[in-house]
Amino acid sequence: QKEVEQDPGPLSVPEGAIVSLNCTYSNSAFQYFMWYRQYSRKGPELLMYTYSSGNKEDGRFTAQVDKSSKYISLFIRDSQPSDSATYLCAPSNNAGNMLTFGGGTRLMVKP
Amino acid sequence: ETGVTQSPTHLIKTRGQQVTLRCSSQSGHNTVSWYQQALGQGPQFIFQYYREEENGRGNFPPRFSGLQFPNYSSELNVNALELDDSALYLCASSFPGQGARGYTFGSGTRLTVV
Repeated sequence: QKEVEQDPGPLSVPEGAIVSLNCTYSNSAFQYFMWYRQYSRKGPELLMYTYSSGNKEDGRFTAQVDKSSKYISLFIRDSQPSDSATYLCAPSNNAGNMLTFGGGTRLMVKP
Repeated sequence: ETGVTQSPTHLIKTRGQQVTLRCSSQSGHNTVSWYQQALGQGPQFIFQYYREEENGRGNFPPRFSGLQFPNYSSELNVNALELDDSALYLCASSFPGQGARGYTFGSGTRLTVV
């Protein structure tokens, strides 16, 4: 079993939809929880990070962490075609030196 | 545009050969990490360098090695290439104290081993 699991998708939604992307993990030592977006032929770019459990909102994006169930979510409101990319969850241990990536979920937002 | 530059962008090597990939970190970043991303997978941590010393290593064999230079640029060397080494190799740098939270990734080097 992988340390971080994501549904690979692809997830196809119409423009304007609310998107829910999810991730589960097994390592209780993870304290920082990052979401990255990766466009084709590009490196990952940080969307949001959350420390410990709770919610964090940034514009159309909301990240949720439930450490009791080891479940991480990213919600995208009013999705746009430009949101079409692969979304990677990446928890990190307390030292924050190393990211353990999930396999990524490919999202397609259709106009 | 990202401040982390990787070269070359694409590379084709033969099994058994050696390869060197290069990374120029964003200004002020003294920590650099390397990741391997196989097709359709998430990136996997190879190792991290801080002030020219290895500061953590993932589950990769010793034929994967690295260097960090005083100007904080970095190299990833892979010896005795295997077909499974074909992947996108990503470099990420960060400011002191930010750790993985402050990573800026480059666009990567796509290595194909034939």
